[in-house]
Amino acid sequence: RKEVEQDPGPFNVPEGATVAFNCTYSNSASQSFFWYRQDCRKEPKLLMSVYSSGNEDGRFTAQLNRASQYISLLIRDSKLSDSATYLCVVNALPNTDKLIFGTGTRLQVFP
Amino acid sequence: EAGVTQSPTHLIKTRGQQATLRCSPISGHTSVYWYQQALGLGLQFLLWYDEGEERNRGNFPPRFSGRQFPNYSSELNVNALELEDSALYLCASSSTGGEAFFGQGTRLTVV
Repeated sequence: RKEVEQDPGPFNVPEGATVAFNCTYSNSASQSFFWYRQDCRKEPKLLMSVYSSGNEDGRFTAQLNRASQYISLLIRDSKLSDSATYLCVVNALPNTDKLIFGTGTRLQVFP
Repeated sequence: EAGVTQSPTHLIKTRGQQATLRCSPISGHTSVYWYQQALGLGLQFLLWYDEGEERNRGNFPPRFSGRQFPNYSSELNVNALELEDSALYLCASSSTGGEAFFGQGTRLTVV
């Protein structure tokens, strides 16, 4: 089983739609979780950290399910500018800084 | 505050040559990560340095190597270049347990 797995997509959704991505991780001891966004041919940029209690930033909501070992990202009221690849990131083990990236989920929002 | 800087931004080499890529982390960050992203593919973990030592490496041949200097900047060296080494090489830095911030990458083309 891969350390971090994501559905590569693409998810093609109309403007205004709600879309959700999941990401599963294999190491139950992982402590830190993040969602990054990567635009075509650019570097990934941090979208949001994922906390145990879940967190929300505007139209974006991230949640962690430790029992099932997955994190999720929900995007409400999708905008054309949300089109990008969304990367799930997990730290490899507790007390280390090694970050493992998923291969990303491609989102395409159309008018 | 300056972000992660990488140089050069573009590099063209011929097969069999060596390439050296450089990365300066965010001030105060001691961890540096190197990733390879081939066109259309996800991020592949290459190397992780922390406090001047190699902490982990990904599934790449020994001709991919690097080092971290006392000021925490880092070099990635790729020897005996092959055509399939053509990719975007991304460097990221983080502080202990924190999220990683990426440089804009070095686009290596092997011809």
